[in-house]
Parts: sequence; C-alpha cells; structure tokens
Amino acid sequence: AQKITQTQPGMFVQEKEAVTLDCTYDTSDQSYGLFWYKQPSSGEMIFLIYQGSYDEQNATEGRYSLNFQKARKSANLVISASQLGDSAMYFCAMRCPNAGNMLTFGGGTRLMVKP
Amino acid sequence: DAGVIQSPRHEVTEMGQEVTLRCKPISGHDYLFWYRQTMMRGLELLIYFNNNVPIDDSGMPEDRFSAKMPNASFSTLKIQPSEPRDSAVYFCASRSGPPQDTEAFFGQGTRLTVV
Repeated sequence: AQKITQTQPGMFVQEKEAVTLDCTYDTSDQSYGLFWYKQPSSGEMIFLIYQGSYDEQNATEGRYSLNFQKARKSANLVISASQLGDSAMYFCAMRCPNAGNMLTFGGGTRLMVKP
Repeated sequence: DAGVIQSPRHEVTEMGQEVTLRCKPISGHDYLFWYRQTMMRGLELLIYFNNNVPIDDSGMPEDRFSAKMPNASFSTLKIQPSEPRDSAVYFCASRSGPPQDTEAFFGQGTRLTVV
C-alpha cells in the first residue's frame, strides 16, 4: 500500500525567508509520481509541482522546488522568498500507476508566513 | 477551459435527506476522482472512474454513498440518507491519462453540512 507522511502539522516562516516542508512516502513500486498541492483558506486545491520517480533532476517551478531524495523516500517542498500569500495548507501526494493511478495524500502542513 | 466545475458550492440539509453532488470534469480528461476532506481524516479518495467506468470504490464509506458517471462530462455523488457525520468538503478532480498523464485538477469543492 502507498503511504504519504507529513510530520509537520504547522510551521511558521518569516516573510522573505525560505522554508522546507517535509514529505516522506512509502511504496514498493518503481514508477510513481510525487505532487504538491496548496490549499489556501478559500478551500481550492492548487497544483504546485510534480516529480517523477525516474526524473534525475529536482523539479522546480518558480519559487517552488522539490528536494527529491529517492533512497530516503523523501520529497520535500522548498519555498524560497516566502510571501504572505503563501500562508496555506500544503499537501504532498503520490500516484502509482501500478496501484490504481489515484492520488494518495498526506495529512498536510499548515504554513503561516509572518510579516 | 473552465476547469473542473462542481455544484452546489454549499449544501445544508437535514439528516435523512438525499444529497446529490455534481461534477463536470475538464473536457478530454479520462479520469475522474471523488475525494472527501474532513479535519479528522484529511483527504480521502472515495471512488474514481476511468473512461466513465468505476475502477475503485473501496473508499466509499458505506452503502448510503453511490456515484455515477453516465457520460464523459458529468458525474454525481449521492448520499441517501445523509447523516451529520457526512458533513465535509467533497472534491471532484479530473486528469488525463497516458501519455499526457497530467496532474489532477480539482474543482472548488462542495461544502456539505448535514444537521
């Protein structure tokens, strides 16, 4: 079975600083995808970044980057130069084509950016 | 494209009543997912469809829940009879299949309150 663990229920970061949100996963599949979503207080789920298990380079999307350490089964999200609008819930998710192809989500981390 | 469209955005109903949630996926997407989000259990996959066919409904809590996808552009999630513990935000999501294999795009969600 696939499992995603986010060990930080809540985090604070000072505006303009970088922050790392942790995510570890467990799967026996060799092929899988890792995703991060942002959920602001308005409730919608916003896709941020994707990393494939065979991608050799860490994914980056603007201020978001994914620190992918395959041997450790971790896929941490790094947000650089935090902005007040980054305050939200962040969810890590995994998809395994050999296991139904649906997204399995972690419990989320609430990020609060301090001015 | 307007994205995944869910209706209604909010629903308040009395215990015992039937509730129907609706979803219009993004045109051309092969997969459709229904998720439920609560504080206690986080994001749970209820059921998903591939090409209008239900593939995995193991997440459906009980027989009171049913989902249909009569065509590629419409799906419903029905709860009959509803109970207060069904109160949650219900998300519909869709994505394309191989080879595009995109991330899942979420609707705005339906906030259901059963009193």
